[in-house]
Amino acid sequence: GQNIDQPTEMTATEGAIVQINCTYQTSGFNGLFWYQQHAGEAPTFLSYNVLDGLEEKGRFSSFLSRSKGYSYLLLKELQMKDSASYLCAVREGDYKLSFGAGTTVTVRA
Amino acid sequence: IAGITQAPTSQILAAGRRMTLRCTQDMRHNAMYWYRQDLGLGLRLIHYSNTAGTTGKGEVPDGYSVSRANTDDFPLTLASAVPSQTSVYFCASSTSEKGTQYFGPGTRLLVL
Repeated sequence: GQNIDQPTEMTATEGAIVQINCTYQTSGFNGLFWYQQHAGEAPTFLSYNVLDGLEEKGRFSSFLSRSKGYSYLLLKELQMKDSASYLCAVREGDYKLSFGAGTTVTVRA
Repeated sequence: IAGITQAPTSQILAAGRRMTLRCTQDMRHNAMYWYRQDLGLGLRLIHYSNTAGTTGKGEVPDGYSVSRANTDDFPLTLASAVPSQTSVYFCASSTSEKGTQYFGPGTRLLVL
């Protein structure tokens, strides 16, 4: 089974950097996903890590350490539109995707 | 190109009634999924289908059934709704069971 932990809420200032941590425990790790979800909307795919290291996509980066069961999502140059919930999801085996409860990020002017 | 569509957008349902939530995708994805999202609990998998004609149970399947008659459609049925099934329901699809999942807009269901 899965145990995925991420902080409930984070607040940051426009233009700043925020790092959202995710820790997990799994018996058959097969990839980690980050999704963004604005209030009242569907989750949208942000990033995917299956090997250790950093994946960079513009202002967003995601890091994975399989040995530590740890990932983080880094949001740089924060904009007001980045206010959303960020979901960490771990794939176990071939298909099963288990989600954390999500981290709500509030960006203040 | 619509991607994934869900219907209805929202629904208020009396307890004990039968309800089918519809999900259609036009991306020719083989795998499809149904999740429910509740405050503080995150997304939980109800049922999935790796390919047309096959289905499987997820984490919280009780009270729900699905069918996958073709590639595009994956309806979710509540045979006799109960208040604990009040939730936001998301359908998702991926090219295969190992692919990235893409989500539909969701159905907000209130069971009274």
